[in-house]
Amino acid sequence: QKEVEQDPGPLSVPEGAIVSLNCTYSNSAFQYFMWYRQYSRKGPELLMYTYSSGNKEDGRFTAQVDKSSKYISLFIRDSQPSDSATYLCANILTGGGNKLTFGTGTQLKVEL
Amino acid sequence: ETGVTQSPTHLIKTRGQQVTLRCSSQSGHNTVSWYQQALGQGPQFIFQYYREEENGRGNFPPRFSGLQFPNYSSELNVNALELDDSALYLCASSSKAQGAISPLHFGNGTRLTVT
Repeated sequence: QKEVEQDPGPLSVPEGAIVSLNCTYSNSAFQYFMWYRQYSRKGPELLMYTYSSGNKEDGRFTAQVDKSSKYISLFIRDSQPSDSATYLCANILTGGGNKLTFGTGTQLKVEL
Repeated sequence: ETGVTQSPTHLIKTRGQQVTLRCSSQSGHNTVSWYQQALGQGPQFIFQYYREEENGRGNFPPRFSGLQFPNYSSELNVNALELDDSALYLCASSSKAQGAISPLHFGNGTRLTVT
């Protein structure tokens, strides 16, 4: 079992839709949770970063962490074609320095 | 603010050869990490450097080695290249502070193809 799991997609939605991207993890020692966006032929770009359970909002993006069920979500409101990318969730262990453990990523396509 | 820059962007090597990839950290960052991203996969941690010393290593063989220089730039060296080493190699920088986690900022990577 991989430590961090994501559905690879592709997930295709119409412009303006609310997108839900999900990630599960198996290691209870993960304490920091991040979402990265990766466009084709580019490096990952940090979107959201959170430590605690609950919601964190930044513009059209909301990250949700449920440590009790080891479940992480990223919601995108009013999705745009420019949101088409691969979304990677990444976790960090307590005391693990800055080593990120990534999921495989979910490919998202927002269509006009 | 200058972001993380990597060179070269693309590279083709033959099995058994050696390769050196380079990375310049984002301004103000003192820690560099290297990740390998195979096609369709998430990045996998290779190692991290802080104050010119290796500060954590993932599940990669010793033929993967690195350096960090006083200006915080870094190199990744891979010896005896294998076909499975074909991947996107990503450098990420961050600012290490006592007791704190600093988000990583990635470069656009070097695409290595081993034939």
